[in-house]
Amino acid sequence: KAGVTQTPRYLIKTRGQQVTLSCSPISGHRSVSWYQQTPGQGLQFLFEYFSETQRNKGNFPGRFSGRQFSNSRSEMNVSTLELGDSALYLCASSAGTGAYEQYFGPGTRLTVT
Amino acid sequence: SQQGEEDPQALSIQEGENATMNCSYKTSINNLQWYRQNSGRGLVHLILIRSNEREKHSGRLRVTLDTSKKSSSLLITASRAADTASYFCATGAGSYQLTFGKGTKLSVIP
Repeated sequence: KAGVTQTPRYLIKTRGQQVTLSCSPISGHRSVSWYQQTPGQGLQFLFEYFSETQRNKGNFPGRFSGRQFSNSRSEMNVSTLELGDSALYLCASSAGTGAYEQYFGPGTRLTVT
Repeated sequence: SQQGEEDPQALSIQEGENATMNCSYKTSINNLQWYRQNSGRGLVHLILIRSNEREKHSGRLRVTLDTSKKSSSLLITASRAADTASYFCATGAGSYQLTFGKGTKLSVIP
């Protein structure tokens, strides 16, 4: 099976812009979670989607949003970018039916200037 | 917010030695997982232990869980240079929201 893929791998944006990141889960996986990793705060949970519904949400401002499509692919959007949004954004997929192991993609490195 | 706290923050050992990392957490959990990350890349799932389990093995990995002390340990036996990475514990409370610790940076010297 192909692993989790994320696009783009690297992104440079300017403060105030918005960005959309994409994630394709492992085939058959219905749960997709997003995490932000920074040197200061470490790995923090953003949100989780299952069958197109957001099931869990972390403690991030409303500028961070996401969605999941019927084929389980997911996107996350960050509007009005701030310098502090510079991070590695990781997507993880899981079967979502009681199997809690998560399989991570390579991440998207976002730099906000 | 971080729930897990790994100890030590950094560990340097010779190839062939064993490496032990510890993780403490604060709230009730359904499962605890260990992940490995190489140089800012994606995380690789290593092992999951459920709250009703005390020990689990996978290849050269041994994980223990003590829910009364809210702690877990990861032992890597006969370490190799390729084991050089950061190791994270992550706790789950029955949903797919994982709470990660800050990680232990392991260096295995050939």
